[in-house]
Amino acid sequence: SQQGEEDPQALSIQEGENATMNCSYKTSINNLQWYRQNSGRGLVHLILIRSNEREKHSGRLRVTLDTSKKSSSLLITASRAADTASYFCATDADKIIFGKGTRLHILP
Amino acid sequence: GAVVSQHPSWVICKSGTSVKIECRSLDFQATTMFWYRQFPKQSLMLMATSNEGSKATYEQGVEKDKFLINHASLTLSTLTVTSAHPEDSSFYICSARFRIQGYEQYFGPGTRLTVT
Repeated sequence: SQQGEEDPQALSIQEGENATMNCSYKTSINNLQWYRQNSGRGLVHLILIRSNEREKHSGRLRVTLDTSKKSSSLLITASRAADTASYFCATDADKIIFGKGTRLHILP
Repeated sequence: GAVVSQHPSWVICKSGTSVKIECRSLDFQATTMFWYRQFPKQSLMLMATSNEGSKATYEQGVEKDKFLINHASLTLSTLTVTSAHPEDSSFYICSARFRIQGYEQYFGPGTRLTVT
């Protein structure tokens, strides 16, 4: 089963610009997580935001969570070429379910 | 932090053979283990959830007789793809949930299966 839906499915921006990815989900959650995956590689855990939190920061990452709208956003500021990857939101109730992901491409 | 390992990291097998993938939690005893499958350019799809000593719970559409899961101990779960076919070629990722401060879940590095 798949719960999260990311928007956009693909995003290309110039290096240095900010990238915003959105995620919507359907049911109640304990927390929501964002992961990065480089092509053909494993998952890298980026950030976890609990259901009672509204915003969280980690370095160049900013995550928001709106449980009333069942949505989250991931903002990457001052993007770099190394940020090129697929990004997935994942909702955690009693098991982690991934969204479809956003493929981010940073143009030099 | 907790580490989850998978073995092998990649495997090529012939159509009709069976392949076993191991998932181990190295630092902690896992209360629950999960198996995911990921096709190229797609997201991770949860296949099944298993608790030590009990039968796995499979997600809708996943054939339990084809994907055999054994969770023999709190640190080891295995996924056996039986009578593999080329359409089973995929990236298989396991995950283990630990109870440390609350519940935390960690992912293995994945196993790439290619069936020829």
